[in-house]
Amino acid sequence: EAEVAQSPRYKITEKSQAVAFWCDPISGHATLYWYRQILGQGPELLVQFQDESVVDDSQLPKDRFSAERLKGVDSTLKIQPAELGDSAMYLCASSLESGTVIYNEQFFGPGTRLTVL
Amino acid sequence: KQEVTQIPAALSVPEGENLVLNCSFTDSAIYNLQWFRQDPGKGLTSLLLIQSSQREQTSGRLNASLDKSSGRSTLYIAASQPGDSATYLCAVGGGADGLTFGKGTHLIIQP
Repeated sequence: EAEVAQSPRYKITEKSQAVAFWCDPISGHATLYWYRQILGQGPELLVQFQDESVVDDSQLPKDRFSAERLKGVDSTLKIQPAELGDSAMYLCASSLESGTVIYNEQFFGPGTRLTVL
Repeated sequence: KQEVTQIPAALSVPEGENLVLNCSFTDSAIYNLQWFRQDPGKGLTSLLLIQSSQREQTSGRLNASLDKSSGRSTLYIAASQPGDSATYLCAVGGGADGLTFGKGTHLIIQP
């Protein structure tokens, strides 16, 4: 069964260092989402891509976070510099296509657990 | 801004009981509602997706209902099992947009 892949699964870093997370969506899924989930909370959307274009990055802290999906397939989320408050689970999701509601079910990867010391 | 509330925040029941998890949302202009399961330290597993035009969806022992006009959804779990222990998240979607999540219900099924 097709799945969303993410790596690494766990990342420990010191504050002020740079970190990067990778996501490979389900094959053929045009829409890709990055969410952040703080312990005990629901996930919150950081950025949404339609193919290689950013559709929504209104909640992305752009002074330190960046995201790209250069070829419209896999994606990288980067944090530089990391802060203590960035400790969270970073989840990637994909859906078949946007604009067609019927296929808007989102499928999530296993996540990357980030700990900033 | 859409807000999603899940009640109760935590629930512990004996094995075999039927149970209901509740979800409410403030803006009824949604395209779909999705229920997820999350095991500790893991990603989200999609359980059920209800389109805005639908009233309910069923999968095995799970049944989810949607009353869009009142901004409510329920997830019914029949004959609960210890393996059902997890956090259950409700999320609403605005069509092609990202999902807005509740904080979840932490469910424990006692053997």
